[in-house]
Amino acid sequence: KQEVTQIPAALSVPEGENLVLNCSFTDSAIYNLQWFRQDPGKGLTSLLLIQSSQREQTSGRLNASLDKSSGRSTLYIAASQPGDSATYLCAVAPRGTYKYIFGTGTRLKVLA
Amino acid sequence: SQTIHQWPATLVQPVGSPLSLECTVEGTSNPNLYWYRQAAGRGLQLLFYSVGIGQISSEVPQNLSASRPQDRQFILSSKKLLLSDSGFYLCAWSVATSGGETQYFGPGTRLLVL
Repeated sequence: KQEVTQIPAALSVPEGENLVLNCSFTDSAIYNLQWFRQDPGKGLTSLLLIQSSQREQTSGRLNASLDKSSGRSTLYIAASQPGDSATYLCAVAPRGTYKYIFGTGTRLKVLA
Repeated sequence: SQTIHQWPATLVQPVGSPLSLECTVEGTSNPNLYWYRQAAGRGLQLLFYSVGIGQISSEVPQNLSASRPQDRQFILSSKKLLLSDSGFYLCAWSVATSGGETQYFGPGTRLLVL
């Protein structure tokens, strides 16, 4: 059974720092992995989608990597800003299905 | 462009009352549709998904049901709400593309059962 874990559960950093959010999953047979952002009381916004054949994806200050063999993905945020404060969720779709399994998220606070 | 709507935004219901949450998608055809629940302090749990009209798959046994009467309409229902049904309900849609299958989420409905 696929399980997704995100560490740390919460993170508080000063503005301008580069930071890394971690996601691990137990079964490497995945279709793809997706990173989302969730603001308090809101729905989820897709940030990056990495297919199983890819190693990384970049969008602006965000870079997500995928290492299927070790069951890990990282989300790198460069030059963090207070507007980056949100909960970041990682989700994997097991191979042969489009049903995403979500981690419990990392709650990020960037201090001005 | 595609948009996804959910209503109501918030709902307070007594235990034992019925429930109907609606989700509609615009700007796409034959999407896969999903209902998730996010309980306080917990991750998202997939409740139902649908690959077409009238086709519903349930992920976990529960007090809820789902229906898809039209291609871009997904409804979450209950005949009698339980306290444990409280949570944040999110609808999502996806279509397969060459870049993979990205899920797009609606704004959510916050349900409080008292």
